[in-house]
Amino acid sequence: EAGVAQSPRYKIIEKRQSVAFWCNPISGHATLYWYQQILGQGPKLLIQFQNNGVVDDSQLPKDRFSAERLKGVDSTLKIQPAKLEDSAVYLCASSLVAGGNNEQFFGPGTRLTVL
Amino acid sequence: GQNIDQPTEMTATEGAIVQINCTYQTSGFNGLFWYQQHAGEAPTFLSYNVLDGLEEKGRFSSFLSRSKGYSYLLLKELQMKDSASYLCAIVNTGFQKLVFGTGTRLLVSP
Repeated sequence: EAGVAQSPRYKIIEKRQSVAFWCNPISGHATLYWYQQILGQGPKLLIQFQNNGVVDDSQLPKDRFSAERLKGVDSTLKIQPAKLEDSAVYLCASSLVAGGNNEQFFGPGTRLTVL
Repeated sequence: GQNIDQPTEMTATEGAIVQINCTYQTSGFNGLFWYQQHAGEAPTFLSYNVLDGLEEKGRFSSFLSRSKGYSYLLLKELQMKDSASYLCAIVNTGFQKLVFGTGTRLLVSP
């Protein structure tokens, strides 16, 4: 079974530039998550999709971050404009459904450096 | 809101046993996960507890006490490859989302 795919793996940009990340979840997984993991911290949920609908985006900085899940499969996360404090690893995860004992499977992440 | 506390760092010797503690406060609880994360890699699932008690899986065991808001991960017969960060995460009953602690970095030495 193929895992969660993410691209690019690494990205370096200057502040005020824009950047986009892509995620392809495990086939058949209805729930998709984007996390931000700052060095030395645990992952922080940015947004959760159930199929192509947003379930929770309470911690997404909506003035600069946006995300969509086209046709309930692939997803993109965009930052525009980027700030220095956005430097982090952006992890995508998916699960069959949300909650309970439904294990989340994580992708390898995109390491973003904002200069 | 939620609050999750884990020790920042622990050290242990190859072949030994180590216990990583996690305490939490939350208004809604629907289970607790432990994930392992090697440096530069994605978190991988270790265990899930929703009822009080001990869950054993090979060299790894996880314990939960809901009344005390407490869990631990027990690693036996430590190997060098166990050097990693161990993340405690609770499932929030609201949107069924995971809330992660900051993680415990475990260093296993020869």
